[in-house]
Amino acid sequence: ETGVTQSPTHLIKTRGQQVTLRCSSQSGHNTVSWYQQALGQGPQFIFQYYREEENGRGNFPPRFSGLQFPNYSSELNVNALELDDSALYLCASSQGLAGVVLGTDTQYFGPGTRLTVL
Amino acid sequence: KNEVEQSPQNLTAQEGEFITINCSYSVGISALHWLQQHPGGGIVSLFMLSSGKKKHGRLIATINIQEKHSSLHITASHPRDSAVYICAVRAAGNKLTFGGGTRVLVKP
Repeated sequence: ETGVTQSPTHLIKTRGQQVTLRCSSQSGHNTVSWYQQALGQGPQFIFQYYREEENGRGNFPPRFSGLQFPNYSSELNVNALELDDSALYLCASSQGLAGVVLGTDTQYFGPGTRLTVL
Repeated sequence: KNEVEQSPQNLTAQEGEFITINCSYSVGISALHWLQQHPGGGIVSLFMLSSGKKKHGRLIATINIQEKHSSLHITASHPRDSAVYICAVRAAGNKLTFGGGTRVLVKP
């Protein structure tokens, strides 16, 4: 089974630009969660998608948006980039609701995309 | 006050020493995760706990639901254990809330 992959690995943007980050879920997983990790801090939950629908959202403004595709891969879009958006963006896939019921809902993390906003 | 607090923030140990990292949380949870993050960002899930104790190799994780507290122990620590260890809890809505992490350095 393949693991969670993310692209690109590194990205440099300027304030006001827009960015799209991509994540491919682990085989068999229908849920993907996105996290933002600022330097020296723990990850913060952005949102989660389950079977192509948003299934929960953290305290992030609407300029953070996402998509999940029928193959369960996902995108995170950030508009009007700000300097504070510089961070490591992590996605994690899991078996979603079925996994929660069965107690097997371990999240598998991708390597992350490091975004720098200048 | 953060919902998930870890201690210590930084820890330096000599190879072979026993290491304990603590996690306290303030909300009702359905599960608690211990994660390991190496330099460069990759996160690996070590344990998922909802009660009791789990052991994997030299790693032991315990949780006390009544006291809202969990510990991660590393026995016979090794330099390759050097990483950031993160505690995360799953509460309502199936989202994970993370602690700030404990940076562990094991010196040879």
